[in-house]
Amino acid sequence: NAGVTQTPKFQVLKTGQSMTLQCAQDMNHNSMYWYRQDPGMGLRLIYYSASEGTTDKGEVPNGYNVSRLNKREFSLRLESAAPSQTSVYFCASKFGNYEQYFGPGTRLTVT
Amino acid sequence: KNEVEQSPQNLTAQEGEFITINCSYSVGISALHWLQQHPGGGIVSLFMLSSGKKKHGRLIATINIQEKHSSLHITASHPRDSAVYICAVHENYNTDKLIFGTGTRLQVFP
Repeated sequence: NAGVTQTPKFQVLKTGQSMTLQCAQDMNHNSMYWYRQDPGMGLRLIYYSASEGTTDKGEVPNGYNVSRLNKREFSLRLESAAPSQTSVYFCASKFGNYEQYFGPGTRLTVT
Repeated sequence: KNEVEQSPQNLTAQEGEFITINCSYSVGISALHWLQQHPGGGIVSLFMLSSGKKKHGRLIATINIQEKHSSLHITASHPRDSAVYICAVHENYNTDKLIFGTGTRLQVFP
């Protein structure tokens, strides 16, 4: 089992560019999440998906879109990147009322 | 909305010391999570608990639901325990969205 995988690991974008962060899990989990982590702040939820075909906004959704492509994959898209979106992005998944499993993170810098 | 406070923010210890990290939250919850973030950035879940106490190796987590408080203890600390420890609680009873604390950075020196 690879667990939760994320690509890419690092990315540098110019302001206004777009990109998609990919996340996949092979644990047959129903729920998937996207978080961002900024210095001095706790992890903050961007979007989540309770099951295939459903997505909901979290605490900081502005500037992002998501797609739950199938049960395994949950992608996060930045349509027009801004310096304020410089952050480390984590994808996570879970089954039922159990703990979340986190991916290794994507470090994104927007210049 | 729930608010989570952790203390201390930073903690240094000598190898072998007993460590306690505290977490307080403002709204009643269904469960509380303790996570560990390694220096390389990876995050792993240590405990999920809704009452009482759980133990895994040298780690012990306790929760007092009435006082809205949890503690994470590390017995016989070791340099490999150096990490950021993060507390997280559910936003409220009706959701599994988590609210995270800002973490406690622990450094254990040999």
